Amino acid sequence: GDSVTQMEGPVTLSEEAFLTINCTYTATGYPSLFWYVQYPGEGLQLLLKATKADDKGSNKGFEATYRKETTSFHLEKGSVQVSDSAVYFCALSDAGNNRKLIWGLGTSLAVNP
Amino acid sequence: GAGVSQSPSNKVTEKGKDVELRCDPISGHTALYWYRQRLGQGLEFLIYFQGNSAPDKSGLPSDRFSAERTGESVSTLTIQRTQQEDSAVYLCASSLAGGNYGYTFGSGTRLTVV
Repeated sequence: GDSVTQMEGPVTLSEEAFLTINCTYTATGYPSLFWYVQYPGEGLQLLLKATKADDKGSNKGFEATYRKETTSFHLEKGSVQVSDSAVYFCALSDAGNNRKLIWGLGTSLAVNP
Repeated sequence: GAGVSQSPSNKVTEKGKDVELRCDPISGHTALYWYRQRLGQGLEFLIYFQGNSAPDKSGLPSDRFSAERTGESVSTLTIQRTQQEDSAVYLCASSLAGGNYGYTFGSGTRLTVV
């Protein structure tokens, strides 16, 4: 079945460092891909999305490009801030299965001043 | 309201008791999901409602779990004869039809079975 694999955390960075959180997927159809973020004590929020190959989602300085050839959707940010400390979840929406969301296990990011 | 509302935010119950969790989705969102998030783990799909279609119940872990939705509005998730392994945060999310627009999550109900 469809699945999402993302890099294990925790990831610890200094402020202004470059961030990459890897996410790869397996899917039989043409899924949409998402990154969600969960800040401490808060609910899940949609960070960005891409609905087809080569699309780039971006928000709050974060970017991810839907790469069909490598089945990847890696999350990047050029200069992280302390306020980016959160858990990041990669997910896909299965077009052929009621668009059920399939989730990665989450990657915890801690940014130190 | 502006977002997805879940109640209660916290629930502590004794093993063997029944609990009912409520979700108010965003008005106009035809798709509604229930997920479970155990401590330190990812999200586990439970059930999916889409309009008037038969719900996808394939994620419900046992027959102790059931969910209802009234039209395109409120949904309730019921857990009967709760067990300690049911302790988790139960999340509700809603979306416009199709899901490509992303999902809006509620803040969840933290269930603790003692």
